[in-house]
Amino acid sequence: GAVVSQHPSWVICKSGTSVKIECRSLDFQATTMFWYRQFPKQSLMLMATSNEGSKATYEQGVEKDKFLINHASLTLSTLTVTSAHPEDSSFYICSAAHLSGRAGEQYFGPGTRLTVT
Amino acid sequence: GQQVMQIPQYQHVQEGEDFTTYCNSSTTLSNIQWYKQRPGGHPVFLIQLVKSGEVKKQKRLTFQFGEAKKNSSLHITATQTTDVGTYFCAATFTGGGNKLTFGTGTQLKVEL
Repeated sequence: GAVVSQHPSWVICKSGTSVKIECRSLDFQATTMFWYRQFPKQSLMLMATSNEGSKATYEQGVEKDKFLINHASLTLSTLTVTSAHPEDSSFYICSAAHLSGRAGEQYFGPGTRLTVT
Repeated sequence: GQQVMQIPQYQHVQEGEDFTTYCNSSTTLSNIQWYKQRPGGHPVFLIQLVKSGEVKKQKRLTFQFGEAKKNSSLHITATQTTDVGTYFCAATFTGGGNKLTFGTGTQLKVEL
């Protein structure tokens, strides 16, 4: 149980285009999903916290107009990178907190590797 | 903001040697989790520690949470090549809800 999927697993796009990444909790409901970004050989940096039915909370330094997050249901959150640039190339990982799980426990998706050319 | 420092950054060991990575925070933690990330993969949850002084074991892995809940360690006994990867601690802070702050990670390489 507690499986999180992400789609696509990798994507290459041209500079200036937008890319949407989906994060789904497959066998549980998640009131909260988290979006992280990981650059090569670095740690995971939290970008935003996504709560079902409400606006996402962005971390300091993360542009909310560039990284659009939608959490329309208890099993789906999407991250749209708008007007992507090469510096946005990174590994984007989502995680989901189980509705009835232990406090703090998150389940991570397999990640989406974004390359902007 | 709140940070979690992790040392060492890299560790190369011979198979069979022990390995330890340490996490430290200047702020008291609500709980701490440990994750393993294989090259090219995503973080996989290993364990969560909540209580002051807590010690948990998973086969060759031993996890400790400091008495002051400001530090934690992961110790691997007799490393194997399958232990290769980056180990991250991740902490939640009081008032931060489920928000995780990841440590800087320790990359472990195991040589035959």
